Amino acid sequence: GQNIDQPTEMTATEGAIVQINCTYQTSGFNGLFWYQQHAGEAPTFLSYNVLDGLEEKGRFSSFLSRSKGYSYLLLKELQMKDSASYLCAVLDSNYQLIWGAGTKLIIKP
Amino acid sequence: GAVVSQHPSWVICKSGTSVKIECRSLDFQATTMFWYRQFPKQSLMLMATSNEGSKATYEQGVEKDKFLINHASLTLSTLTVTSAHPEDSSFYICSARDPGGRGLYEQYFGPGTRLTVT
Repeated sequence: GQNIDQPTEMTATEGAIVQINCTYQTSGFNGLFWYQQHAGEAPTFLSYNVLDGLEEKGRFSSFLSRSKGYSYLLLKELQMKDSASYLCAVLDSNYQLIWGAGTKLIIKP
Repeated sequence: GAVVSQHPSWVICKSGTSVKIECRSLDFQATTMFWYRQFPKQSLMLMATSNEGSKATYEQGVEKDKFLINHASLTLSTLTVTSAHPEDSSFYICSARDPGGRGLYEQYFGPGTRLTVT
């Protein structure tokens, strides 16, 4: 079956760095997305990786290793507004998005 | 960027009634739209894939006669929850693909509709 694993919850301190990991086992791979979702709101797009390596976008970076079935989202200079759930999703061979359960990130002052 | 709207943003209805939720792509044509449901503290659960001009494809376990989906135009898909019951209370989110956008398979999400059935 298809499976995406990410930690349920993480806690970090304002101004620090946090890395959210995602491992996946899917039937085929056509890219991996990271979305941010604040409580009670819809997800918003953060990043898309289809090739191995690190993609940097401001305070957020996303890394992909296809051979390891692994990705991480790196958040730097954490701000209180970064408190949210972070969803990892993989586009499988049928171009269907397979969603992880999400990681709830709690930022403490 | 691509914008998707949903209406209403929240609705309260009585058990046994039907509720219609609209999803619109405002600045692009979406041949494919998706309907998700999300219960508190859980991830998104895909309910169905809606293709313009054809029948929706429902995920396993989703009752197509209870959750009616109509994708009559390239900018509008509707989800009707028929004979709603309290267990249908959830956060319903639609998304759409913009084939001409930044990423061929990126999904743009609507703001969601919170349904409460009393």
